[in-house]
Amino acid sequence: GAGVSQSPSNKVTEKGKDVELRCDPISGHTALYWYRQSLGQGLEFLIYFQGNSAPDKSGLPSDRFSAERTGGSVSTLTIQRTQQEDSAVYLCASSLRQGREKLFFGSGTQLSVL
Amino acid sequence: AQSVSQHNHHVILSEAASLELGCNYSYGGTVNLFWYVQYPGQHLQLLLKYFSGDPLVKGIKGFEAEFIKSKFSFNLRKPSVQWSDTAEYFCAVNADNQGGKLIFGQGTELSVKP
Repeated sequence: GAGVSQSPSNKVTEKGKDVELRCDPISGHTALYWYRQSLGQGLEFLIYFQGNSAPDKSGLPSDRFSAERTGGSVSTLTIQRTQQEDSAVYLCASSLRQGREKLFFGSGTQLSVL
Repeated sequence: AQSVSQHNHHVILSEAASLELGCNYSYGGTVNLFWYVQYPGQHLQLLLKYFSGDPLVKGIKGFEAEFIKSKFSFNLRKPSVQWSDTAEYFCAVNADNQGGKLIFGQGTELSVKP
């Protein structure tokens, strides 16, 4: 596709429910990132995939958060037993390679946990 | 672990004023440095980047940034701001021992009054 696509654009859920957020990176991009953007908190790194290497999960805030990337392309971020503090914009980005390449960001998923 | 600090959370300027946004990082090794911008309602996009060579780098829309290794800083500057520069600005760092992991600062919201 022309850019990074994220779905859904908005998700409202009840506390305790599980949610799945999807990211379609730019075709051919080997690196894929997930960030969380909250008011006043900037962009919080969650997880990073590079090709077939093991992902860097060092930013995941708890074991309720997990992500996978199938076939080196589409990625899904799953949040189990959502809490109100999980409410934020979840951003996905991709780049050609790791390190010095610029990131292309999606428009994000606005998650609201009631 | 590496971290990035942006000291100004919200900056308000009049058109034609000069701009300098601070960015400091905590990592003693080799780094790749970036500034990203998020205009209202738009995706995050790259403003400029520094990898090596001339520590003064120029980006789009008249922005520049200077890498001062001794101060662990990468401040963003623009001699004369315009109303259209109203946006949120994020500094980001990739350390050479962190693969492609990119850490962002908290962001600085810039409001330019016409």
